[in-house]
Amino acid sequence: GQNIDQPTEMTATEGAIVQINCTYQTSGFNGLFWYQQHAGEAPTFLSYNVLDGLEEKGRFSSFLSRSKGYSYLLLKELQMKDSASYLCAVLNRDDKIIFGKGTRLHILP
Amino acid sequence: DAGITQSPRHKVTETGTPVTLRCHQTENHRYMYWYRQDPGHGLRLIHYSYGVKDTDKGEVSDGYSVSRSKTEDFLLTLESATSSQTSVYFCAISDSEYLGPNEKLFFGSGTQLSVL
Repeated sequence: GQNIDQPTEMTATEGAIVQINCTYQTSGFNGLFWYQQHAGEAPTFLSYNVLDGLEEKGRFSSFLSRSKGYSYLLLKELQMKDSASYLCAVLNRDDKIIFGKGTRLHILP
Repeated sequence: DAGITQSPRHKVTETGTPVTLRCHQTENHRYMYWYRQDPGHGLRLIHYSYGVKDTDKGEVSDGYSVSRSKTEDFLLTLESATSSQTSVYFCAISDSEYLGPNEKLFFGSGTQLSVL
């Protein structure tokens, strides 16, 4: 089967750092995406990893370990506008994208 | 932002009635997708299209049909709506079958469908 696990909800404080973990078991692996989705809105692309290591893009970084089937999204200097759901998604060997259930992140002032 | 428009944005219907949702794109992208999003589930693929008149089933296609007669339009039809089809429906587009850092899925704003 194909399975992507991420925490359902997390809470963090404005200005702090938060790490959202994602573990996956899929039929093959051709890349991993992170999407951000604000309540009532469409998901929007954040990052893509296909090789092991860290990809940094401003306040957001994404890490991948293929041998462990593990990724995380790191958000620094949290802002209130970062309150959203974060979706982990894996491209399997058929290049089909499988989405996790998402992590709802609450930012407290 | 990618030019994707979904209509209607909200719809309430009764069990047993047919419903058609429309996705319109102005990007001339070849690939179009319909997803549904429900609490406790990730985005799940219903159907997708890889060109005019070329469509295929996704993981939750039962009870749904699609049509694509023009590059820009992808229609999702619920032939006889059921309460289990109450959901938020997202259309997405991409320019390539092979997604990666430069070829991403772009999503529409969604349609909230309630079947009573």
